[in-house]
Amino acid sequence: GEDVEQSLFLSVREGDSSVINCTYTDSSSTYLYWYKQEPGAGLQLLTYIFSNMDMKQDQRLTVLLNKKDKHLSLRIADTQTGDSAIYFCAESDISGNTGKLIFGQGTTLQVKP
Amino acid sequence: NAGVMQNPRHLVRRRGQEARLRCSPMKGHSHVYWYRQLPEEGLKFMVYLQKENIIDESGMPKERFSAEFPKEGPSILRIQQVVRGDSAAYFCASSQGRLNQPQHFGDGTRLSIL
Repeated sequence: GEDVEQSLFLSVREGDSSVINCTYTDSSSTYLYWYKQEPGAGLQLLTYIFSNMDMKQDQRLTVLLNKKDKHLSLRIADTQTGDSAIYFCAESDISGNTGKLIFGQGTTLQVKP
Repeated sequence: NAGVMQNPRHLVRRRGQEARLRCSPMKGHSHVYWYRQLPEEGLKFMVYLQKENIIDESGMPKERFSAEFPKEGPSILRIQQVVRGDSAAYFCASSQGRLNQPQHFGDGTRLSIL
């Protein structure tokens, strides 16, 4: 079945770039999502990319997709303390025709002043 | 607020009681998904519904759990005879379509079982 893996923790200094990585297993075309979760809150949709794309940029966020290696990354430029949160990568179950999301375990991003 | 609305935000139940979690999707969205997040874990799919239909309940425990999305009113996730292991955050998401439309999440219901 599908599986999504993420590293659990990343610590950066304010102003640096953060890169959060994710690998997935579904070999069919799919949508891949990045969500942000702050403590006690729901998931905020940051960005998403279809698997026939290589890159998507939206302000400080850049998503890179290596379809051959099934590797997805989220780069946050000029990271701020407000970016501290848990970041989830998710894959959409297109092959099952439901669109349900399969989530990674989440990467906790700690931004030090 | 035109986002996905979940209530209550926090729910405390004693073992054996029933828990009812409600979700109103975003305006114009007819697809609802429920996910469960255990402490320190990612979200796990439970059930996918459209108006008056359960499309996929493959992630829902076979006993004690049920979901509905009536023609009028919110979607309801119902847990009967709750046990300690049901303690989790339950999130609802809605979308305009099933495959190529992003899901937008509510703030969740944190369920605590005493």
